[in-house]
Amino acid sequence: QLVLTQSPSASASLGASVKLTCTLTSGHSSYAIAWHQHQPEKGPRYLMKVNSDGSHSKGDGIPDRFSGSSSGAERYLTISSLQSEDEADYYCQTWGAGLWVFGGGTKLTVL
Amino acid sequence: EVQLVESGGGLVQPGGSLRLSCAASGFTFFNNAISWVRQAPGRGLEWVSAIGGSGGSTYYADSVKGRFTISRDNSKNTLYLQMNSLRAEDTAVYYCARLPLGEFSTLDYWGQGTLVTVSS
Repeated sequence: QLVLTQSPSASASLGASVKLTCTLTSGHSSYAIAWHQHQPEKGPRYLMKVNSDGSHSKGDGIPDRFSGSSSGAERYLTISSLQSEDEADYYCQTWGAGLWVFGGGTKLTVL
Repeated sequence: EVQLVESGGGLVQPGGSLRLSCAASGFTFFNNAISWVRQAPGRGLEWVSAIGGSGGSTYYADSVKGRFTISRDNSKNTLYLQMNSLRAEDTAVYYCARLPLGEFSTLDYWGQGTLVTVSS
């Protein structure tokens, strides 16, 4: 079964960097994933697609502060030079066999 | 500019029906698959359904299969979600989201959402 696992919460200081992790279930470690940002009272925003080889392609207008990487079954989203507006929920998402799957989301707090 | 605007949400009694719409603009609508995703209060994002560009391919989450029907009118650049036999657990904000050209993969543009409340 295709499942994505994320830590429920993360925090980092203004101006610092943070690395969020999304883990694919065993047997699905070659899957690409997407990262989405969801700020309160807004629609989600597509950030990027991250492939198993660590390459990534970002959505329109996504700042260079956002980057993606991979290691084995883990996919990462790194946000550098944290700003207050980065405080949001971050979801990873993947797809296969006619279904789409989201991780449980990570709530990022900017201190 | 790609825009997706949902409408049709509201309060409905358990067992009732509702039809959501998603009006699209800023891209060639029939070229892209479109999906519905929902978020229940205090919960994460949950994929609901998807449809191919021509409308010939449809996909559903197990939680809504047999109760919800996705469709599209490419002449009106509009996506629909017919929701029947609604349950309290269907209460959520419903978002439509576009899939990239020629792909069944990521969701690269999202709407702002419409709230559906199922309650007596």
